[in-house]
This record gives sequence, structure tokens and C-alpha cells, in this order.
Amino acid sequence: KNEVEQSPQNLTAQEGEFITINCSYSVGISALHWLQQHPGGGIVSLFMLSSGKKKHGRLIATINIQEKHSSLHITASHPRDSAVYICAVLGSGGGADGLTFGKGTHLIIQP
Amino acid sequence: DTGVSQDPRHKITKRGQNVTFRCDPISEHNRLYWYRQTLGQGPEFLTYFQNEAQLEKSRLLSDRFSAERPKGSFSTLEIQRTEQGDSAMYLCASSSQGYEQFFGPGTRLTVL
Repeated sequence: KNEVEQSPQNLTAQEGEFITINCSYSVGISALHWLQQHPGGGIVSLFMLSSGKKKHGRLIATINIQEKHSSLHITASHPRDSAVYICAVLGSGGGADGLTFGKGTHLIIQP
Repeated sequence: DTGVSQDPRHKITKRGQNVTFRCDPISEHNRLYWYRQTLGQGPEFLTYFQNEAQLEKSRLLSDRFSAERPKGSFSTLEIQRTEQGDSAMYLCASSSQGYEQFFGPGTRLTVL
């Protein structure tokens, strides 16, 4: 069973700051998701990646398969980025066991 | 809107009652997942369908829980004899093989 650890658990920053959220996992995977969840809301998929780096607007996600580690970066952070960010991994068994999730990072961006 | 939909969005029930939730995945997706999320925790996997076949069930899915996807399209999750510990957000997600999962808005269950 994969163990997914995220850090930090909570992060408060000022508008405009560069944000980094880290995710480590214990067992080989086929893919890693970064997800965003607003209070009381559903989950939105930000990225799915299995190698390298992806960028979408102010969001950048990287993954190092050898080190079993991924980071999510937010550039020029804004209060609307305030949400819970969740790292989730898909096992190498083809997805039949679903995603294994981290506990999430609660991000607050203050104006 | 062609995203994943779930119904109802909220359900309040008394302990011991049965409840049923529905998930409508994105139409071309053959994979469907159910997850459960309790307050302050990340979601946990419950079960997985590929087309109409239920291929995997978590140990979290006790015999009070049953899920179906009769025609490989929508899915239902039923909880019998609900307990207070069943209170959670129940999330559904769908995907095509090898592609990212898209989540529905969830059904929040409160058992009194």
C-alpha cells in the first residue's frame, strides 16, 4: 500500500509570494495527480503527470520518479488560490486500486 | 455541462436507515471510482468499475455497502443500516483508461 506524505500541512502566505507544496510517496506509481479542493466543494484535477514537468498558467508541477517526490508551485499567488491542495498517486497496477491520497495542504493567501 | 454529476448533493438520514447515491460519469469514460472523504482527511478509495464490472473493492467497503453500474454508465452506491461513522463526503470520479480522473461534486451524508 502506497503511503503519500504532503508538506506542509498548513501554509499561510502573502499575495504575490511563490508557493511550493511537496509530496512524497513510498511505492512505484504509474501517475501522480495534483488536485484542488475548495471548502465544501468538489475536487478539481490540476495536473496528472508521470515524468518531468507540466505548467498551466501560474501553476507548475514537477515529479522525480527516482526520488519518489513531486512538487506543486504557484507563482504570483493570489487570494483566490486559497484552497486545499491534494497529492494523489495511481499505483502501477493499472488503476484498479484507485488513487491513494495525501491528507492535503491547506493554503491561505492573504491580500 | 458534461462533467461528472452526483445526486443528491446532501443527504441527512437517521441511523439505521438505508441511503442510495447516484453518480453519472462523463459519457465516454469506461472507468468509474467511488471514494469517501471524512472531515480533515484526504479521500479514501472504496471501489472501482471498468464498464459494468466491479473489479476492486476496498476493505473499507463493509457488507453494508453495495455498488452497481448495471449498464456501464451511471453507478449507484447504497449503504444499508447507516451508522454515524458513515457520515462523510462520498465522491465519484471517472476516467478513460490511462487518463486522469475527473471528480464529481460529491454527496455529503450526515447520519444522525
